[in-house]
Amino acid sequence: AQSVTQLGSHVSVSEGALVLLRCNYSSSVPPYLFWYVQYPNQGLQLLLKYTSAATLVKGINGFEAEFKKSETSFHLTKPSAHMSDAAEYFCAVSDPSGTYKYIFGTGTRLKVLA
Amino acid sequence: NAGVTQTPKFRVLKTGQSMTLLCAQDMNHEYMYWYRQDPGMGLRLIHYSVGEGTTAKGEVPDGYNVSRLKKQNFLLGLESAAPSQTSVYFCASIGTSGYNEQFFGPGTRLTVL
Repeated sequence: AQSVTQLGSHVSVSEGALVLLRCNYSSSVPPYLFWYVQYPNQGLQLLLKYTSAATLVKGINGFEAEFKKSETSFHLTKPSAHMSDAAEYFCAVSDPSGTYKYIFGTGTRLKVLA
Repeated sequence: NAGVTQTPKFRVLKTGQSMTLLCAQDMNHEYMYWYRQDPGMGLRLIHYSVGEGTTAKGEVPDGYNVSRLKKQNFLLGLESAAPSQTSVYFCASIGTSGYNEQFFGPGTRLTVL
């Protein structure tokens, strides 16, 4: 069965510092991978997705993620954190069964310190 | 396009009461999903639908029923609400033209007393 592990339920960074949110997956076939962001009291919004094209994927708001098959990882990064990045971030992997189901990680809440 | 909408946004129920959550999408998407979000547990799939008239169980289906009578609507029912069903419920949809992302509604916050 597929699974997604997000290391660190809470991450704090200073404004202007590097953001690194970790995601590891387990999958028997090459997966599609996604990062979503959830701002308080809102639904989830897609940040970026990996669908077997380029391994370095650029998303919205300056975020990017690199797919590393050898490490089964899809970590999310941003060079310089902004106060507006404070939110909860979810990594998700697709189910290859054809039902377009996703398996979500448990989320990482990012806090940005002034 | 309104995207994915959910009704209601908030609801408080007493144990044993019933209710229906409505999800509507105007993107002509085939697939629709209901999730619940609980602190520290991410999103868990309750039920999903791969097309009008079809539904299937997800990871945590007990205590819920669903119906997809129209392509644009996906209803989630609680027949006899329990405090363990206190959660935030999200609906999502996805089209089948390429491997696109799931589009999420704004959520329904349900409290069962």
